[in-house]
Amino acid sequence: GAVVSQHPSWVICKSGTSVKIECRSLDFQATTMFWYRQFPKQSLMLMATSNEGSKATYEQGVEKDKFLINHASLTLSTLTVTSAHPEDSSFYICSAAGQGGEKLFFGSGTQLSVL
Amino acid sequence: GDSVTQMEGPVTLSEEAFLTINCTYTATGYPSLFWYVQYPGEGLQLLLKATKADDKGSNKGFEATYRKETTSFHLEKGSVQVSDSAVYFCALIKAAGNKLTFGGGTRVLVKP
Repeated sequence: GAVVSQHPSWVICKSGTSVKIECRSLDFQATTMFWYRQFPKQSLMLMATSNEGSKATYEQGVEKDKFLINHASLTLSTLTVTSAHPEDSSFYICSAAGQGGEKLFFGSGTQLSVL
Repeated sequence: GDSVTQMEGPVTLSEEAFLTINCTYTATGYPSLFWYVQYPGEGLQLLLKATKADDKGSNKGFEATYRKETTSFHLEKGSVQVSDSAVYFCALIKAAGNKLTFGGGTRVLVKP
């Protein structure tokens, strides 16, 4: 099946720094990518939807200046958590949809811990 | 808005035991329903799905039936194995678009 690679799998950073998370579709072109976050014992919450070459669409309550999403190519989307704070500590996971959008493939997730 | 509620874990079972994970949903219209599984260190993988009422999705010995009257999509397996230890997510998607709404996930631990 299709593979989505997400990197890094975990990261620890100091408060105030920025962290970039990459999501790559390895064997298909992902026209749409989704970014989710999950707090402990809670649901995966959709943060934003990104389409290649256009601005991401953010869900209500998600700060677009805080969570910068770039989908510059059909195989790569990045999420940058800017000026991270401890409350940004969470599990972030991406998913990618190919043309037609019939199937979604997920990355393995990134555990972010902000000290 | 749409929502998915599934039983909290962790669920700890012995090998060959019967597994049920309850999932109920709230949504307008006729969503498609999914179960995803996440094995340790891996991404979510689609386990099974059902796209209309009374459909039964099945895969790897797991089954779930789309029950519109009870808005449920419970996951069952008759005899679990240690390799079934994972986190299971129930999810729905509306007819248009790819926006998945997830339940909170249920961690299942199968002991030998």
